[in-house]
Amino acid sequence: SAVISQKPSRDICQRGTSLTIQCQVDSQVTMMFWYRQQPGQSLTLIATANQGSEATYESGFVIDKFPISRPNLTFSTLTVSNMSPEDSSIYLCSSRTGGNTEAFFGQGTRLTVV
Amino acid sequence: AQSVAQPEDQVNVAEGNPLTVKCTYSVSGNPYLFWYVQYPNRGLQFLLKYITGDNLVKGSYGFEAEFNKSQTSFHLKKPSALVSDSALYFCAVRYTNAGKSTFGDGTTLTVKP
Repeated sequence: SAVISQKPSRDICQRGTSLTIQCQVDSQVTMMFWYRQQPGQSLTLIATANQGSEATYESGFVIDKFPISRPNLTFSTLTVSNMSPEDSSIYLCSSRTGGNTEAFFGQGTRLTVV
Repeated sequence: AQSVAQPEDQVNVAEGNPLTVKCTYSVSGNPYLFWYVQYPNRGLQFLLKYITGDNLVKGSYGFEAEFNKSQTSFHLKKPSALVSDSALYFCAVRYTNAGKSTFGDGTTLTVKP
């Protein structure tokens, strides 16, 4: 199984600023994903982070708001740009190898925008 | 489009009793089905999966799930619940190796002593 380190674990940010969340996997993985989760609710996929190319965004999410980098097979970042209180949420990094494998998750970043 | 439903927001059981957390999926090809558990302030942890083969799959912490193709269900079960099983449980479905997963809305399991 993969171990994912995600940081920061939580942050309180001023509106209009940006926060970059880092995700480090302890082994090379084929796929990395970023999710958003309201506490106690389901996960919403923001985008698939593609190694060496632009991320694939889901409907309702755009690159200008959530730029994603994935420079190699073990690391990715998600930036939440020009934040507003509506961006307050938990952001989760996930990874899996190919085939029919299960996903592994970081512990999440709890973001509060004030 | 692939989808998965967890019809119960909350399940309450007494410690030592059997527990069931329900999940149904949309019919579209041959699904890969997963159960994950989330403890407070933590990420999701993998419990078990069904890919193919035996309909009854066993996973971590004594949990098991049964794939029922005719009922399009994949209910999570445990013969004897523990207080420490109290958490948020998610069912997820995927239809291809390279595809993205769709998660259910989650079921909060509370096990009372």
